[in-house]
Amino acid sequence: DIQMTQSPSSLSASVGDRVTITCQASQDITKNLNWYQQKPGKAPNLLIYDASNFETGVPSRFSGSGSGTDFTFTISSLQPEDIATYYCQQYENVPLTFGGGTKVEIK
Amino acid sequence: QVQLQQWGAGLLKPSATLSLTCEVYGGSFSGYYWSWIRQPPGKGLEWIGEINHSGSTNYNPSLKSRVTISVDTSRNQFSLRLSSVTAADTAVYYCAKLYQRSNWNDVWGQGTLVTVSS
Repeated sequence: DIQMTQSPSSLSASVGDRVTITCQASQDITKNLNWYQQKPGKAPNLLIYDASNFETGVPSRFSGSGSGTDFTFTISSLQPEDIATYYCQQYENVPLTFGGGTKVEIK
Repeated sequence: QVQLQQWGAGLLKPSATLSLTCEVYGGSFSGYYWSWIRQPPGKGLEWIGEINHSGSTNYNPSLKSRVTISVDTSRNQFSLRLSSVTAADTAVYYCAKLYQRSNWNDVWGQGTLVTVSS
C-alpha cells in the first residue's frame, strides 16, 4: 500500500492567515492526489482533485499543488467556516489511501 | 444531481455480519463506480472497496477476506457486507460515488455509525 504522511496533524491560525498543509507519498503518485474537507459530524467533501484542480463550487482561497511524492494544500485566507479536518488521498494504486488528516482551528 | 441514501443496522455483536445498503437517486447508476469508506470514531478514513454496475469490484486487501460489495441495478442500489466483525470494525461507514474507477469521491452518503459490542 502507498502510505500518505500528512503534516501537521493539527494547526491553529487566525482569520485571514495563510494556511499550508503538506502530504507526502511513500512512492511516486504523479498527480493522482485529492484533498477533502470534513466538518464535524459530516461526510468528507471533495475540494481538489488531480493535485490542483478545483471541484465545482469550491472557493478560490483553496488551492493544491505538487507532483510525484510531495504535495501542498493551501488556504490563502482562513475563514471561520474553514474549521474542519483536511485529508489527502492518493489514487495511484488500489487500495486508495488517505493521509492521517490535519485539524484546522481558529486561534 | 446524484444523491446517496444509506441505511443498515447500527449495533452488532462480535462475529456478526455487517450489512449496509446505499441507494442512488437523481442520476445515472450505470455510468459510475460506487465505493464504501469507513472512519473509526475520532480517527481517519479507510477505503473499503468499490463496484460498478456490472459487478466489477476492487477491495482493500486488508479487508478482502471478509468483505463483499454487491450491486442491484434494478433498484439503483449497492451494498456492503462485512463478516466476522469485531470492536475494531466500529466506525462510521460511508457510501460514495466515484467520478471514475478508483479516483475521487465527488458525492457522499450521510454515513452510518456501526457499533460492534457484546
